[in-house]
Amino acid sequence: NAGVTQTPKFQVLKTGQSMTLQCAQDMNHNSMYWYRQDPGMGLRLIYYSASEGTTDKGEVPNGYNVSRLNKREFSLRLESAAPSQTSVYFCASSGSLAGVSDTQYFGPGTRLTVL
Amino acid sequence: AQSVTQPDIHITVSEGASLELRCNYSYGATPYLFWYVQSPGQGLQLLLKYFSGDTLVQGIKGFEAEFKRSQSSFNLRKPSVHWSDAAEYFCAVAPQGYQKVTFGTGTKLQVIP
Repeated sequence: NAGVTQTPKFQVLKTGQSMTLQCAQDMNHNSMYWYRQDPGMGLRLIYYSASEGTTDKGEVPNGYNVSRLNKREFSLRLESAAPSQTSVYFCASSGSLAGVSDTQYFGPGTRLTVL
Repeated sequence: AQSVTQPDIHITVSEGASLELRCNYSYGATPYLFWYVQSPGQGLQLLLKYFSGDTLVQGIKGFEAEFKRSQSSFNLRKPSVHWSDAAEYFCAVAPQGYQKVTFGTGTKLQVIP
């Protein structure tokens, strides 16, 4: 059981470049989440997917898109990276059914720097 | 919208001393409450959670937390801190019936010999 895996672990982009962060979970969880973590700001929700085929905006969705490819995979795309998107990105999954919060399991994170 | 406040950005304790990390939330009803821990360079791991029932919740690694409705608080405690407890601790809140979890800004714990 690998839990939640994220790729890549580190990435450096130039302003305007695009990239996709990949996330996969092997726990058969319904819900998946993308957060960004910045110093002094805790974790802020970017997007989440309550179940396969659905996605919803979180607190800071601007500049990002997501795809829930199947029940296992949830990707985050930066179409035109900006320095303000320099952050550590965490993917998480949860066994929550719609409307019920439960424990989230986190991946190891992707450290992204945009120059 | 719900919010959660962790008033202490950084706390230093001596190994073997007791620990209390503060968490206050703002929400109209009783939410679900969580404490997570993040070791350097790692993702977050759940320490404990409160959904309902007994207001004193036991978690992993010897941690406990007490829900106090009258104070809108969910403070994390440990009777005797170990050097391996040095990490950042996050309180989180989720309204019952919703999946969005709001995290506090975290408290970084330093443990000195």
